[in-house]
Amino acid sequence: AQKITQTQPGMFVQEKEAVTLDCTYDTSDQSYGLFWYKQPSSGEMIFLIYQGSYDEQNATEGRYSLNFQKARKSANLVISASQLGDSAMYFCAMIPNSGYSTLTFGKGTMLLVSP
Amino acid sequence: EPEVTQTPSHQVTQMGQEVILRCVPISNHLYFYWYRQILGQKVEFLVSFYNNEISEKSEIFDDQFSVERPDGSNFTLKIRSTKLEDSAMYFCASSGLAGVYTGELFFGEGSRLTVL
Repeated sequence: AQKITQTQPGMFVQEKEAVTLDCTYDTSDQSYGLFWYKQPSSGEMIFLIYQGSYDEQNATEGRYSLNFQKARKSANLVISASQLGDSAMYFCAMIPNSGYSTLTFGKGTMLLVSP
Repeated sequence: EPEVTQTPSHQVTQMGQEVILRCVPISNHLYFYWYRQILGQKVEFLVSFYNNEISEKSEIFDDQFSVERPDGSNFTLKIRSTKLEDSAMYFCASSGLAGVYTGELFFGEGSRLTVL
């Protein structure tokens, strides 16, 4: 079974600063995928970034980067140059390499960006 | 850009009533999913669907739940007799073949179900 832990219920950051959202995971699978979703107040789930367990380089997508430390089983999301529109809930999630994307989500971190 | 659409956006129902939530996945996707999020809690997997049958389901997806792809475009979630604890946001998602392995699911905007 997979487990995702997000220890930060809420984070504050000032506009234009960088912020790191923590995520640790637990799995017995050798191969898995890790990723982050954003959920703004409107409720939809927006895919942000993906990291495969065998990827040697950390994933980056624009202002988002995933700090993947396999030995520590952590997959922190780094948002550079925060914008007011980044205020949202952020969910870390993972899938086993079983062939079907049954996502296991963490409890989420609420990010608030202030002017 | 193609998107997953869900209807209704919000439904209020009496306990014990049947509810059908509808989803139109992205047209060339092959894998379909339902997730739910109880207010203030994490998103939970309900069921995945491929090739006109359920491929995986969670413990939450008991006999009160069913899914169907009645035609080539719609994907529905039916709750036969709603309970108070079914109140949640229900998300439909779809993915193409690559998304099965990368986790790049495309979510709809959700259907909020309130059971009174």
